[in-house]
Amino acid sequence: TQLLEQSPQFLSIQEGENLTVYCNSSSVFSSLQWYRQEPGEGPVLLVTVVTGGEVKKLKRLTFQFGDARKDSSLHITAAQPGDTGLYLCAGASGYGGSQGNLIFGKGTKLSVKP
Amino acid sequence: DSGVTQTPKHLITATGQRVTLRCSPRSGDLSVYWYQQSLDQGLQFLIQYYNGEERAKGNILERFSAQQFPDLHSELNLSSLELGDSALYFCASSPDRGVSSPLHFGNGTRLTVT
Repeated sequence: TQLLEQSPQFLSIQEGENLTVYCNSSSVFSSLQWYRQEPGEGPVLLVTVVTGGEVKKLKRLTFQFGDARKDSSLHITAAQPGDTGLYLCAGASGYGGSQGNLIFGKGTKLSVKP
Repeated sequence: DSGVTQTPKHLITATGQRVTLRCSPRSGDLSVYWYQQSLDQGLQFLIQYYNGEERAKGNILERFSAQQFPDLHSELNLSSLELGDSALYFCASSPDRGVSSPLHFGNGTRLTVT
């Protein structure tokens, strides 16, 4: 069974601080997606990483896919209260149109205090 | 707004009952996915339909069933409900059948079984 472990489970920081959350697995994924979920809403896609070692930036968010495509990290610079939410990583085990599951981690719940 | 519509938003019912959750995918999306989200298990993949046919199955109980209709909307039927079925149920859609495609989630149906 493929599992994605996310850490930390909870993170509470002050506005302006930097943080990194991690997504780890013993399995290799063809791609990995990061989502953010706010209370009362569904997850919203932030980014997809596909190539081992890939780094993608989205404003103050930096996403990295591990060289072996088993792990990923999300770094937020100068966090703001608007970054508060549940951050989920999801690994895809198939390629292109192949059948497979998108496996979600349990998430990191981030709270950024003003 | 993701373009994915789920109804109802909240549902309260008793053990042993049966309920139907409804999902309308984004315009043009052919795949519909159902996920269950609980505090301890995170987002669990239940089932995927592509253009009316079952495409992939996850941890879906035998008491649960789903279908996708010719107009591409989908319904998830939950029967013989148990207290442990209380959770958020999300529908997501994507344009194609590939597991690597980004998912667009609705805002979920919160099911409470009493």
